[in-house]
Amino acid sequence: GAVVSQHPSRVICKSGTSVKIECRSLDFQATTMFWYRQFPKKSLMLMATSNEGSKATYEQGVEKDKFLINHASLTLSTLTVTSAHPEDSSFYICSAIRGVGGSNQPQHFGDGTRLSIL
Amino acid sequence: AQKITQTQPGMFVQEKEAVTLDCTYDTSDPSYGLFWYKQPSSGEMIFLIYQGSYDQQNATEGRYSLNFQKARKSANLVISASQLGDSAMYFCAMRTDSWGKLQFGAGTQVVVTP
Repeated sequence: GAVVSQHPSRVICKSGTSVKIECRSLDFQATTMFWYRQFPKKSLMLMATSNEGSKATYEQGVEKDKFLINHASLTLSTLTVTSAHPEDSSFYICSAIRGVGGSNQPQHFGDGTRLSIL
Repeated sequence: AQKITQTQPGMFVQEKEAVTLDCTYDTSDPSYGLFWYKQPSSGEMIFLIYQGSYDQQNATEGRYSLNFQKARKSANLVISASQLGDSAMYFCAMRTDSWGKLQFGAGTQVVVTP
């Protein structure tokens, strides 16, 4: 159980393109999902917390207009990188918590998306 | 401020031996949770083990155990009988709010050798 699907797994596109990444909880409902960015050999950097039915909460320094997050249902959150540029190239990974979260509920992660902007 | 620290950037361990990965944390919140995740080279994050701040006993999950020393604010992961498949990056993380938001340490790269 607790499977999170992330799609696509890899994207290569031209500068200026907008890219949408989907994160789905397949066998549970997730009120809260998280989006991370990870540079090579580095730790995960939280970008935003996505709550179903409300606006996402962005971490300091993350551009809201650049990284659009939509959490339209209890099983789907999307991250859209708008007008992507080479500096946006990175590994993006989402996670979800079963139910309404809580102190001992782990985050279950998708397999990540490797984004390369040429 | 809440902080989580992993001081070992990398380590080698021989197959079948045990290895301890260090993790220290700092928080003023009496209620918190500590998690360990494994990230193989393929990139996915695999949940390994959880320890709650009020748990009286150290958490164990198969070959994984957590050496929780609350007074020292440490939550070290012990992997027993290492296997080649254990080669990966290991992250310690601390829950920082009621929504379940996590703060991750810098990670420790483990390489298991035959």
